[in-house]
Amino acid sequence: GESVGLHLPTLSVQEGDNSIINCAYSNSASDYFIWYKQESGKGPQFIIDIRSNMDKRQGQRVTVLLNKTVKHLSLQIAATQPGDSAVYFCADTRTSGTYKYIFGTGTRLKVLA
Amino acid sequence: DGGITQSPKYLFRKEGQNVTLSCEQNLNHDAMYWYRQDPGQGLRLIYYSQIVNDFQKGDIAEGYSVSREKKESFPLTVTSAQKNPTAFYLCASRNPGYEQYFGPGTRLTVT
Repeated sequence: GESVGLHLPTLSVQEGDNSIINCAYSNSASDYFIWYKQESGKGPQFIIDIRSNMDKRQGQRVTVLLNKTVKHLSLQIAATQPGDSAVYFCADTRTSGTYKYIFGTGTRLKVLA
Repeated sequence: DGGITQSPKYLFRKEGQNVTLSCEQNLNHDAMYWYRQDPGQGLRLIYYSQIVNDFQKGDIAEGYSVSREKKESFPLTVTSAQKNPTAFYLCASRNPGYEQYFGPGTRLTVT
């Protein structure tokens, strides 16, 4: 497979447990945030987004929490499944700007059977 | 079936050759992006285009060139001036709601 994701922090969770993946961003002007899932050798897959006027947003088995005070974002995955194994990373942007996105380096999630 | 396509999936070139990576989208998005991904690093922006016939340099544009003659297409040329071209290249497009979607990527190996 691709070598993307070498030397990333790794989170190992038991199948069925909940996973929490964290991300810090640096630009206090950022007002839109995305979580992506990337499997080996593939392009990133959009999971969920959140805007700065919200603290929490829920999707199917996923929840994103935004703490603007400390510039922190988290992705919670409920009842983690083997198919959730991948690299997860966040992106942020300032929607009134040039629409450039800043990406985190990612966290590798390993689901243990 | 809507989405972003990139071709080819794998590309091999000899040093000193220019190579063009294809990116096509049928999502009717105005904005398109090219990123480079290297192991252990976040995505780095090469070029982006917010509208047809207009594009801007990203953070690592040296050694790359693009064109945006059609809304659907945003090809990237990796020139011989790019010192370390071997990487995974990702094309993306963005909708008016700022959601950015990626293609499947092209793995370029230059020897």
